[in-house]
Amino acid sequence: DAKTTQPPSMDCAEGRAANLPCNHSTISGNEYVYWYRQIHSQGPQYIIHGLKNNETNEMASLIITEDRKSSTLILPHATLRDTAVYYCIVTNFGNEKLTFGTGTRLTIIP
Amino acid sequence: SQTIHQWPATLVQPVGSPLSLECTVEGTSNPNLYWYRQAAGRGLQLLFYSVGIGQISSEVPQNLSASRPQDRQFILSSKKLLLSDSGFYLCAWSVPGGPYQPQHFGDGTRLSIL
Repeated sequence: DAKTTQPPSMDCAEGRAANLPCNHSTISGNEYVYWYRQIHSQGPQYIIHGLKNNETNEMASLIITEDRKSSTLILPHATLRDTAVYYCIVTNFGNEKLTFGTGTRLTIIP
Repeated sequence: SQTIHQWPATLVQPVGSPLSLECTVEGTSNPNLYWYRQAAGRGLQLLFYSVGIGQISSEVPQNLSASRPQDRQFILSSKKLLLSDSGFYLCAWSVPGGPYQPQHFGDGTRLSIL
């Protein structure tokens, strides 16, 4: 699986859009980008995934660059409950063994 | 809908004692099952995964073992716990076979070894 790089921490004001970057410059053609988040003392929660097109669901949007070497998770209107560690994971089609790094600790500021 | 249960939520054990953590999934058949460990301030480490009854793959050599006696039951065990076994243990499941199947995690067991 390709390695990912994320900033260790970020702050965002409540109500604003939170944009979390992820670099995956060694991604290969059949690898998907997945995002999970972990609220303190809970199990990780799946957010969204994509291959090369931008994706949106009820939780977030995922923007993947055309060369697929980086992506951005967007939480459009951040709330205090979005404070969590966010993990960007790249994994092969059909490979369900996820490798979690240390992620980005996002703090939403009231 | 599918649910995953882990117990106990917290556990304090002395060094050298045995361990048994249980995970069950409801509302789905033949799920892929996973055990992860998260040390304090660290990312998640995959320990074991299973694609069916009696089928266990180990990702990291250690003094832990896993078993899957029933389709939706996954057990993590140790005969003698070490101090280094302390951590947050998470069970997860996923629908097998498809490229779009995320993993769904339980609430975890926080294990402290004294």
